[in-house]
Amino acid sequence: DQQVKQNSPSLSVQEGRISILNCDYTNSMFDYFLWYKKYPAEGPTFLISISSIKDKNEDGRFTVFLNKSAKHLSLHIVPSQPGDSAVYFCAASEGGSQGNLIFGKGTKLSVKP
Amino acid sequence: DAGVIQSPRHEVTEMGQEVTLRCKPISGHDYLFWYRQTMMRGLELLIYFNNNVPIDDSGMPEDRFSAKMPNASFSTLKIQPSEPRDSAVYFCASSYGGTVSLASTDTQYFGPGTRLTVL
Repeated sequence: DQQVKQNSPSLSVQEGRISILNCDYTNSMFDYFLWYKKYPAEGPTFLISISSIKDKNEDGRFTVFLNKSAKHLSLHIVPSQPGDSAVYFCAASEGGSQGNLIFGKGTKLSVKP
Repeated sequence: DAGVIQSPRHEVTEMGQEVTLRCKPISGHDYLFWYRQTMMRGLELLIYFNNNVPIDDSGMPEDRFSAKMPNASFSTLKIQPSEPRDSAVYFCASSYGGTVSLASTDTQYFGPGTRLTVL
């Protein structure tokens, strides 16, 4: 059973608009969440993270929101740019423990000019 | 820093052959992870090491898979014998655990991956 779910395999957004990528998790012990971005033929690269003691973390155009009661997090990209087109993976870990990053299956974002 | 280095980038082999994938982590990182990515299962953790010692290999699919880390700058993932269902992209990642358990130490840095095709 998947502990981290990204229910939308793909998302298409117009350049300049907001992209919202969603992620749900089932393990209430998860306390650290990350988003990775992956371009074709490259490894995932770290984008932004959030600890469970926060409900929002912002880095430039990227903001991650965490709703612990709903076990849901989302990544907002504003404004979206064509270079943001990639696969975005949500990941979660428990207790700051190394090695227990559980990944979702990813959402492919396409930003159209 | 060159980042995590993996070789080869592509490997095509025939069923039954031995396959060895290689990884050089980022200098100074004390954790190393091997992942496999497939369409069906997404990114799966196979095994990880801390200070060259295997910590959790519960993700290794079966005995045909083995991983070693003889020193802090090198790790291998071996499949013997290989099967068509092993075809996937294999990623190596590394991170720095530090002396204090901080959330930021969970950030893993991935290599470019090895695309394995077993015919």
